[in-house]
Amino acid sequence: DTAVSQTPKYLVTQMGNDKSIKCEQNLGHDTMYWYKQDSKKFLKIMFSYNNKELIINETVPNRFSPKSPDKAHLNLHINSLELGDSAVYFCASSHSGRNYGYTFGSGTRLTVV
Amino acid sequence: AQSVTQLGSHVSVSEGALVLLRCNYSSSVPPYLFWYVQYPNQGLQLLLKYTSAATLVKGINGFEAEFKKSETSFHLTKPSAHMSDAAEYFCAVIPSSGSARQLTFGSGTQLTVLP
Repeated sequence: DTAVSQTPKYLVTQMGNDKSIKCEQNLGHDTMYWYKQDSKKFLKIMFSYNNKELIINETVPNRFSPKSPDKAHLNLHINSLELGDSAVYFCASSHSGRNYGYTFGSGTRLTVV
Repeated sequence: AQSVTQLGSHVSVSEGALVLLRCNYSSSVPPYLFWYVQYPNQGLQLLLKYTSAATLVKGINGFEAEFKKSETSFHLTKPSAHMSDAAEYFCAVIPSSGSARQLTFGSGTQLTVLP
């Protein structure tokens, strides 16, 4: 059983389109995250939800909108895609304590053409 | 803001040689520290973590790391490298106090293992 699963794994789309990435975890964690990994492998947090409540919202264009229907799911919707949005997007989950590591999904490689 | 610095964006070792990947943190209060590994086209896997218990932490795949407060370091080591260890390694930190609670990553070190 996959602990943190993301779909799709690959996403190729044209500029201006709207797309969504879905994430689900079956670990019973109460906190979920979206990270962006750029072409130089640098990882930066975008959003975090705890029990469906947004708790971290880094400086991200408002074209990006996370949605958490329940604490096991965190989706990322992106409007009006731009070339610079091309990256690998990782979903992760954890317990809410500081000393817990995060469990990551396998990533979604988004390519905007 | 809490940060970690990984010295050496690329490290090459021969198979069977010692692996040493360096990580330093930048806070006066020791944070919680983590090492993750990323194999090509895969997600990040937790290797080990320091959460203020034992300073020498053993992880998966034969890796270990030692927390040294005096040096603000948490270097990752493995006595004998295998070809399968070739991957990107990330040091990461969560502050142990304060309002910031998210995991912040270093810039990564690409490990190459030579036959």
